[in-house]
Amino acid sequence: GIQVEQSPPDLILQEGANSTLRCNFSDSVNNLQWFHQNPWGQLINLFYIPSGTKQNGRLSATTVATERYSLLYISSSQTTDSGVYFCAVENNYGQNFVFGPGTRLSVLP
Amino acid sequence: KAGVTQTPRYLIKTRGQQVTLSCSPISGHRSVSWYQQTPGQGLQFLFEYFSETQRNKGNFPGRFSGRQFSNSRSEMNVSTLELGDSALYLCASSLGQGVDKNIQYFGAGTRLSVL
Repeated sequence: GIQVEQSPPDLILQEGANSTLRCNFSDSVNNLQWFHQNPWGQLINLFYIPSGTKQNGRLSATTVATERYSLLYISSSQTTDSGVYFCAVENNYGQNFVFGPGTRLSVLP
Repeated sequence: KAGVTQTPRYLIKTRGQQVTLSCSPISGHRSVSWYQQTPGQGLQFLFEYFSETQRNKGNFPGRFSGRQFSNSRSEMNVSTLELGDSALYLCASSLGQGVDKNIQYFGAGTRLSVL
């Protein structure tokens, strides 16, 4: 099945700093989503981005499908950005949604 | 529009018991998927239901089962609980067909502790 890797596994930032999170996947995908898991466990949708670039406020994402990676950019980070960020993909064969291991982000005041 | 609702939020059971978790999808969504999250294994897919039929299944033992009702609400059942079943169980709903059919929206989860 499809493999998903995320880097870095952990990231510690000062408030106001920028960061880039990476997701690599091993096969063609027809669905790629980025999620933020809050401290209570809920997965919050950030982006649906199987290809191209999207922006939402301080967050933006880019997926280069031909090179099998996606990037999540967080600018001017805030303490509320802390949590775990997951990338999840579904391959072109419609197989189940596969999650990466996540990047744990800690933003310090 | 209401989001995905999971009940109960917390559950404590003992080994050998069985448990049933419930998920109500977003109105109009016909696909419901279940995931297990543990510190060691991360987020793993359990199964997906669409129009009352299991459409996809992950690599979990037969003790894990599910079903979907005509109103798209879904339940998952775990029989003969083991300590290793302690986890956060997450449900996601999606349209299941048409444009943006695969975009998944998650509920808050049910945290199961097996003692």
